[in-house]
Amino acid sequence: DAGVIQSPRHEVTEMGQEVTLRCKPISGHDYLFWYRQTMMRGLELLIYFNNNVPIDDSGMPEDRFSAKMPNASFSTLKIQPSEPRDSAVYFCASSRTSGSLYEQFFGPGTRLTVL
Amino acid sequence: QKEVEQNSGPLSVPEGAIASLNCTYSDRGSQSFFWYRQYSGKSPELIMSIYSNGDKEDGRFTAQLNKASQYVSLLIRDSQPSDSATYLCAVNSPRGSTLGRLYFGRGTQLTVWP
Repeated sequence: DAGVIQSPRHEVTEMGQEVTLRCKPISGHDYLFWYRQTMMRGLELLIYFNNNVPIDDSGMPEDRFSAKMPNASFSTLKIQPSEPRDSAVYFCASSRTSGSLYEQFFGPGTRLTVL
Repeated sequence: QKEVEQNSGPLSVPEGAIASLNCTYSDRGSQSFFWYRQYSGKSPELIMSIYSNGDKEDGRFTAQLNKASQYVSLLIRDSQPSDSATYLCAVNSPRGSTLGRLYFGRGTQLTVWP
């Protein structure tokens, strides 16, 4: 079974540009999570969805960040406009409530550099 | 108070030794506990899950859970240089409003030297 898929794997952009990160969760998983990881702040939860509905977006740093999950197999995280301080690795993870409770599986991440 | 705290490290052990990683959590209602391993430049990888008090063994890895004391530990026996990584402890949120969420510690960096 395929794991969590993220694209792009690397993104270099200039300040002010729009950035869109994409995620395909593991089939059958009903939770999807977006995290950001930096050396300074560690792994931070930005937002998560259950059955495509946003449950908690309190970790989204500001209005420049938005996330959507239009269906069970796809989610996007958008940053508009991007700033240098957004440079980080962004991970998507998914889990399911049945079976092994709440085990999360991570995608490979998108390394974002904003110049 | 942070939900999950780990010994900050870094931890350095010789090859063949036992590495001990510790984690404490604040919410007594938590039911699910996890250890993730993260190699430099890679994503976190789930290596152990534990749900009941006591020990759970998987190869060279043993997870220990003590809910009364609110701590979780990971022991790595016969440590190998390939075990060098950052280890993240994660605990589920027991609250209905945030069910499904995991709280992660900052991680402990382990180096196993030959």
